[in-house]
Amino acid sequence: RKEVEQDPGPFNVPEGATVAFNCTYSNSASQSFFWYRQDCRKEPKLLMSVYSSGNEDGRFTAQLNRASQYISLLIRDSKLSDSATYLCVVNFWSGGFKTIFGAGTRLFVKA
Amino acid sequence: EAQVTQNPRYLITVTGKKLTVTCSQNMNHEYMSWYRQDPGLGLRQIYYSMNVEVTDKGDVPEGYKVSRKEKRNFPLILESPSPNQTSLYFCASSSPGQPQHFGDGTRLSIL
Repeated sequence: RKEVEQDPGPFNVPEGATVAFNCTYSNSASQSFFWYRQDCRKEPKLLMSVYSSGNEDGRFTAQLNRASQYISLLIRDSKLSDSATYLCVVNFWSGGFKTIFGAGTRLFVKA
Repeated sequence: EAQVTQNPRYLITVTGKKLTVTCSQNMNHEYMSWYRQDPGLGLRQIYYSMNVEVTDKGDVPEGYKVSRKEKRNFPLILESPSPNQTSLYFCASSSPGQPQHFGDGTRLSIL
């Protein structure tokens, strides 16, 4: 089982749709969680951190469920500019601070 | 401006010719890391460093070396590059456990 798993997609949605991505992680000692966005051939950029209480940033909402070991990202009112790959990221301590990236979920938003 | 700078951005070279990809950050971050990104495999961690003179292997360290003699620099060294090291490489930095800032990436082709 991969340490961090994401549905690779692609997700094809119309503008204005709501889309949800899930990510599961295997290490119960994982300590911090993030969603990154990556445009084609560009560097990953932080979209938002994920907290147990859930957090929202405009059209984006992130949730963490430690008991079930998954995190989610909800995008409301999708825009064409949301088309990208979304990466789930998990940090944990294992003799050093390790970072594991999910393989990413590709989103296409169409007019 | 806070940034992570990688050089070169693009490099085409031949098998066995030693090369170094430099990485520098101006944010006084303790944590630095190198990743490679390959289609279908996502970002995989090669090496990371918790601080000066402290480095550790990530998931795919074979064929790579790193050093951390100064806090701001974290070069990636390929002593004897091979074609299977053709990839897109990213350097990143952060405070431990915090979101990572990425460089623009280095596209490496080894013939």
